[in-house]
Amino acid sequence: SYELTQSPSVSVSPGQTASITCSGDKLGDKYACWFQQKPGQSPVLVIYQDSRRPSGIPERFSGSNSGNTATLTITGTQAMDEADYYCQAWDSSTVVFGTGTKVTVL
Amino acid sequence: QLQLQESGPGRVKPSETLSLTCSVSGGSISSSTDYWGWIRQPPGKGLEWIGSLYYSGSTYYNPSLKSRVTISVDTSKNQFSLKLSSVTAADTAVYFCARINCGGDCYLDYWGQGTLVTVSS
Repeated sequence: SYELTQSPSVSVSPGQTASITCSGDKLGDKYACWFQQKPGQSPVLVIYQDSRRPSGIPERFSGSNSGNTATLTITGTQAMDEADYYCQAWDSSTVVFGTGTKVTVL
Repeated sequence: QLQLQESGPGRVKPSETLSLTCSVSGGSISSSTDYWGWIRQPPGKGLEWIGSLYYSGSTYYNPSLKSRVTISVDTSKNQFSLKLSSVTAADTAVYFCARINCGGDCYLDYWGQGTLVTVSS
């Protein structure tokens, strides 16, 4: 089965850039999405089709996808960005989620 | 604004069947560009896709759960449902329903608030 792997945690200082990676076999041949999930809340879509932002998502969130790695970048990280982040892709007609990355804003 | 709301028992006994319903408001479950899905998250763990369906009844299941899962739709009520049989403690999780927008590529853009189901006698 298809797997997406993320590093468990990332720490970033306020105002700095956080990069969260998601690895999977030939992931660049698929579209990647990213979700933000805060404690006790539902996931929120922050990036779809590798790099597109849904309405209402701040410009500081950006995405890229090439080769075996998709990357979510948060530029000028704010305290409110502290959350778990999950990547997601499709394998045939099945949804695959990444293992998740906890972003801590120190 | 599309809204999804999960409902169902918060506790299920081991070996029994978990049943949840997702009610959709602010849009039609019969939309030609949308699929509808179930996702779960065990306490303190990551997201796991359970399965999805199209309003016509076509279904797609996680292979690891396929033998125990049934997802169905009731277009007259604008709802879709999840049944998971022979549950064990490992099925304890927050269960989310979501819309899968397939206007171009497919992505999960609207989620319900989630409902915690505990498997316990």
